[in-house]
Amino acid sequence: AQSVTQLGSHVSVSEGALVLLRCNYSSSVPPYLFWYVQYPNQGLQLLLKYTTGATLVKGINGFEAEFKKSETSFHLTKPSAHMSDAAEYFCAVSVFTNAGKSTFGDGTTLTVKP
Amino acid sequence: NAGVTQTPKFRVLKTGQSMTLLCAQDMNHEYMYWYRQDPGMGLRLIHYSVGEGTTAKGEVPDGYNVSRLKKQNFLLGLESAAPSQTSVYFCASSYDRTSGGAAYNEQFFGPGTRLTVL
Repeated sequence: AQSVTQLGSHVSVSEGALVLLRCNYSSSVPPYLFWYVQYPNQGLQLLLKYTTGATLVKGINGFEAEFKKSETSFHLTKPSAHMSDAAEYFCAVSVFTNAGKSTFGDGTTLTVKP
Repeated sequence: NAGVTQTPKFRVLKTGQSMTLLCAQDMNHEYMYWYRQDPGMGLRLIHYSVGEGTTAKGEVPDGYNVSRLKKQNFLLGLESAAPSQTSVYFCASSYDRTSGGAAYNEQFFGPGTRLTVL
């Protein structure tokens, strides 16, 4: 079975500061990893994903994440936070043995202070 | 493409009433899912379907039923609503078999239905 742990349910940064949201996963087979973003009163939308190949993946809105197998991590970063980045972020993992289902973390709420 | 749509957007029920939430997708996806989202609990899978005519239980199936009579639609039913079912419900879909790619790739979410049970 796979699992995801997001460290920190709330993260607060100042506008222009580095954003770092942490995600660790557990999987017995090679995983696909995802970051989704949820703006208030909306559904989740894909920010970026790792499937195979390059371990540094770039997504929308200047976000990127690095798959580190040795650390079982997939942390999300953005060099400079913008007010519009305030949202809830979910890390998720899926594997081929699980009938298309993804396992989601509990989410991290990002607050951006002016 | 409309993507994934959900109806209704909001609903208030009294305890014991029944209702059906409709999810529709126009992406030719094989898989569809129903989740509930509660504060501090992330997303929890209620039921899912890997194809027309098939459904399966997720983490929290009690009190809900589903049907997938058509590939593009996935219905979630509450037979006798309880206050514990007050939540935001999201439908999602994934995996277009004809476009290739893995069956366990990203999911596409609807905008959600906010349900309150009094």
